Amino acid sequence: GENVEQHPSTLSVQEGDSAVIKCTYSDSASNYFPWYKQELGKRPQLIIDIRSNVGEKKDQRIAVTLNKTAKHFSLHITETQPEDSAVYFCAASKRDEKLTFGTGTRLTIIP
Amino acid sequence: SAVISQKPSRDICQRGTSLTIQCQVDSQVTMMFWYRQQPGQSLTLIATANQGSEATYESGFVIDKFPISRPNLTFSTLTVSNMSPEDSSIYLCSGGQGANEQYFGPGTRLTVT
Repeated sequence: GENVEQHPSTLSVQEGDSAVIKCTYSDSASNYFPWYKQELGKRPQLIIDIRSNVGEKKDQRIAVTLNKTAKHFSLHITETQPEDSAVYFCAASKRDEKLTFGTGTRLTIIP
Repeated sequence: SAVISQKPSRDICQRGTSLTIQCQVDSQVTMMFWYRQQPGQSLTLIATANQGSEATYESGFVIDKFPISRPNLTFSTLTVSNMSPEDSSIYLCSGGQGANEQYFGPGTRLTVT
């Protein structure tokens, strides 16, 4: 089955700087890669996703890149703000199948 | 997107009892899932709730312990049976319109004493 590794497990970034979280996956048939943000005590929220026919996708300060050959994808957050502090999870799946989640990255934005 | 609600939001239960968690989606969704999340941990998939048929369970989870129902495309229940303190966790349901987009409910925080 699919295996998703996520790094780093914790990340501290000065406010205004950029943050990058990386994930690798094992199943070359996976074609959907979402990112979730989970604030303390809240539900995971889908913040951005990418499909395997696209190399990069942006939404304001958030971007995701995908390298199918290397089987890795990354979340980029620019101009970080205190409200970006949360745990971020990557995931991977084949079409219409279950998601396999990474272990999570705790991002702390230092004011 | 889909808006998902869960009931109850939290409960404290005695060892040996059972609790049923309800998950309601505001629109029909093709896929629904049940997860467990320990504090500070990632999401562990319990099972896929299949509409009109038996749920598909992940390794380590069995129907006798976690029976699941999904009578239609907007509703599912998860029962945690014969509870022990090890079942204390947050239980989340998710749903989506297919092609993998999944939205989560707010979770049910279960404490077993």
